[in-house]
Amino acid sequence: TQLLEQSPQFLSIQEGENLTVYCNSSSVFSSLQWYRQEPGEGPVLLVTVVTGGEVKKLKRLTFQFGDARKDSSLHITAAQPGDTGLYLCAGLDTGGFKTIFGAGTRLFVKA
Amino acid sequence: DAGVIQSPRHEVTEMGQEVTLRCKPISGHNSLFWYRQTMMRGLELLIYFNNNVPIDDSGMPEDRFSAKMPNASFSTLKIQPSEPRDSAVYFCASSLNLAGGSEQFFGPGTRLTVL
Repeated sequence: TQLLEQSPQFLSIQEGENLTVYCNSSSVFSSLQWYRQEPGEGPVLLVTVVTGGEVKKLKRLTFQFGDARKDSSLHITAAQPGDTGLYLCAGLDTGGFKTIFGAGTRLFVKA
Repeated sequence: DAGVIQSPRHEVTEMGQEVTLRCKPISGHNSLFWYRQTMMRGLELLIYFNNNVPIDDSGMPEDRFSAKMPNASFSTLKIQPSEPRDSAVYFCASSLNLAGGSEQFFGPGTRLTVL
């Protein structure tokens, strides 16, 4: 069974601080996605990484896919209160069709 | 486009009752997914369809759960009989296809409470 472990589970920081959240597995994934979910809503896709070692930047967010395609990280620079939410990583299994979600990192950015 | 539409948004029922959750995917999307989210277990994939055909239902927890997709614009998830441990938020999502990395668009969810 493929599992994705996210850390930390909870993170509370001050506006302007930097942070990194991690997504780890012992399994290889075809691709990995990061979603953000706000209360009362469904998850919304932020990015998809496909190639081992790939780095993608989305404004203040930097996503990295591990060389072995087993892990990923999300780094936020100068966090803002609007970044508050649940961040979920999701791996596409090597069969190519099934998406497995991590438990999520709940981020709270204080003004 | 209105996005993925789910109904009802909230459902409160008593143990033993039948519950039917509904989903309208984004027009033109060929793949549809049902998920369940709880604090304890996170977001779990229950079943997914491609071109209205169920592809993998291995995530369906028990025979009390069933899902159908009679046409490209409508799907249902039924629980019969419902139990308190079924209380969760149920999400429907759709994507263009099952190609690797296809973005899944989630609906707002149905919050189910079984008393």
